[in-house]
Amino acid sequence: GAVVSQHPSRVICKSGTSVKIECRSLDFQATTMFWYRQFPKQSLMLMATSNEGSKATYEQGVEKDKFLINHASLTLSTLTVTSAHPEDSSFYICSAVQGYNYGYTFGSGTRLTVV
Amino acid sequence: AQSVTQPDIHITVSEGASLELRCNYSYGATPYLFWYVQSPGQGLQLLLKYFSGDTLVQGIKGFEAEFKRSQSSFNLRKPSVHWSDAAEYFCAVGALSGNTPLVFGKGTRLSVIA
Repeated sequence: GAVVSQHPSRVICKSGTSVKIECRSLDFQATTMFWYRQFPKQSLMLMATSNEGSKATYEQGVEKDKFLINHASLTLSTLTVTSAHPEDSSFYICSAVQGYNYGYTFGSGTRLTVV
Repeated sequence: AQSVTQPDIHITVSEGASLELRCNYSYGATPYLFWYVQSPGQGLQLLLKYFSGDTLVQGIKGFEAEFKRSQSSFNLRKPSVHWSDAAEYFCAVGALSGNTPLVFGKGTRLSVIA
């Protein structure tokens, strides 16, 4: 079945630094990946749609200069949280669609804590 | 716009009792419906999905869900709840095309008491 590998699973960083999160589709090509954010005790909210070879599409209210998304290949999308602040602490999770039989495949998520 | 409503924020059931978690959706195209479970601090686990065909779908851990197009609902059920079922449950709708993301409901937190 489809697998999306997401790293790191946990990261703690200092305020003002940048953090990169990677999502790789291991056994399929993902033209599009989706990035979600989940605050404690809340649902998953779509942040952006990442398209291979083109600019990401951000949801309203998501700062594109703060959350840099790069989808340079059909198997890798990265989310970089720049100049992180404590309010960026959250659970970030990526997803891709492989096709009808597999539906949506999610990475295991990254818990970011900014101190 | 597509949306998912989970009317119940928190449900408490006794172990061994039956469970039904409600989900209503609004979607402009053919909906593909999912239920996920999330334990504290963990990622998402797919319980079941509905794409087409039989409107009663079976999932893992003894869960099932019924798609009712006339009611725009996709309620999740389990005949006998176990203490390990305590978690957050999310209903989601999507289109399965490559550039259409899943839209999630706000979730229902399930507590199980002895």
